[in-house]
Amino acid sequence: NAGVTQTPKFQVLKTGQSMTLQCAQDMNHEYMSWYRQDPGMGLRLIHYSVGAGITDQGEVPNGYNVSRSTTEDFPLRLLSAAPSQTSVYFCASSYSDSADTQYFGPGTRLTVL
Amino acid sequence: GQQVMQIPQYQHVQEGEDFTTYCNSSTTLSNIQWYKQRPGGHPVFLIQLVKSGEVKKQKRLTFQFGEAKKNSSLHITATQTTDVGTYFCAGMTTDSWGKLQFGAGTQVVVTP
Repeated sequence: NAGVTQTPKFQVLKTGQSMTLQCAQDMNHEYMSWYRQDPGMGLRLIHYSVGAGITDQGEVPNGYNVSRSTTEDFPLRLLSAAPSQTSVYFCASSYSDSADTQYFGPGTRLTVL
Repeated sequence: GQQVMQIPQYQHVQEGEDFTTYCNSSTTLSNIQWYKQRPGGHPVFLIQLVKSGEVKKQKRLTFQFGEAKKNSSLHITATQTTDVGTYFCAGMTTDSWGKLQFGAGTQVVVTP
């Protein structure tokens, strides 16, 4: 099992550009989520999904879109990048919901100039 | 705002010493999870506590969940250099099912 994979590992964008952060898991987990990590702020939930076709907003959803067309994949889209979105992004998955062990991907370090 | 608070934010420990990090919530938690993140790495699950007053041990690590389910602690004895990293607590409230809320973390530095 590869676990949770994320691509790319690093990305530099210019303000206003759009991009998609990819996340995939091969553990047949129903629950997937996206977090951003900023210094001194811990991990903040952006969006989450309890299963294919179902997504919901977390604590900081503005500026981000998600979709869940398959159990395996949960991409995060930045519609128009802003410097405030410079952060490290982690995708996580768990067996059924947020009460289960969360397995995190290696992260994507994003810089918006 | 952030409902799950962790203290201290930083902890410098001499190798061999003990230390404790605390996690406090403004609301009752249905569960609490603890994660460790090594520098440059990703969070890795350590343990989950569910019951009021629950205590769990993992070798030198002791985890507690408060009686009121509003606080938790992680106590590490005889700190080793391998304990370096940031320790996060994360909890869910009964009215926010599906949304795991993380504390800001305690960054631990160990001096040999």
